[in-house]
Amino acid sequence: DIQVTQSPSSVSASVGDRVTITCRASEGISNWLAWYQQKAGKAPELLIYAASTLHSGVPSRFSGTGSGTDFTLTISSLQPEDVATYFCQQGNDFPWTFGQGTRVEIK
Amino acid sequence: QVQLQESGPGLVKPSQSLSLTCTVSGDSISSGDHYWSWIRQHPGKGLEWIGYVKYSGATHYNPSLTSRASISVDRSKNQLSLMLTSVTAADTAVYYCARASLNVDDYGAGSLVFWGQGSLVTVSS
Repeated sequence: DIQVTQSPSSVSASVGDRVTITCRASEGISNWLAWYQQKAGKAPELLIYAASTLHSGVPSRFSGTGSGTDFTLTISSLQPEDVATYFCQQGNDFPWTFGQGTRVEIK
Repeated sequence: QVQLQESGPGLVKPSQSLSLTCTVSGDSISSGDHYWSWIRQHPGKGLEWIGYVKYSGATHYNPSLTSRASISVDRSKNQLSLMLTSVTAADTAVYYCARASLNVDDYGAGSLVFWGQGSLVTVSS
């Protein structure tokens, strides 16, 4: 299985701050990485696919970069509604695997 | 808009089988363009992909489920189903169904675009 290691496990930042979350795959996955946002008690929602393509309706303060093994999700200006847990997921090979998640909170 | 809705018992006894159904609206499973997947999330934990079924009935499972999982499709009802046998407390989780596209030009490879709201299954006697 391809392991996906996500860091940090949690981050606390102020409104307006830049927040960066990273995912590292145990082997190259091209750009087949997706990012999801999961708010408390809800299902995950797709934010970014193919490492850097913003899903329809997702605010432009979210962005994704990377290819191969190293990927980054950036929130350029943290907003109160961004409080959630964020997951990355590789779709390059079965079984599809997820990162452990990053909880984002407002300081 | 594509919508998925999980349904099934919220409580299952140890050693029995867990059975869930996902009803799809706004899309036809028979369209043939998607991986219809099941994913689970243990309480307070991360996400685990269980497997998928295509419209043809072809399946693929996560080896971690050690052959206990079975996913099927009922095209006449536009539903997919999950059965997990010999459950233990470790199978207590929220179970989600979700749709990913077969065509990487749509949303990349493996991106789960549409999700159900989830169904909590507790394994307990």
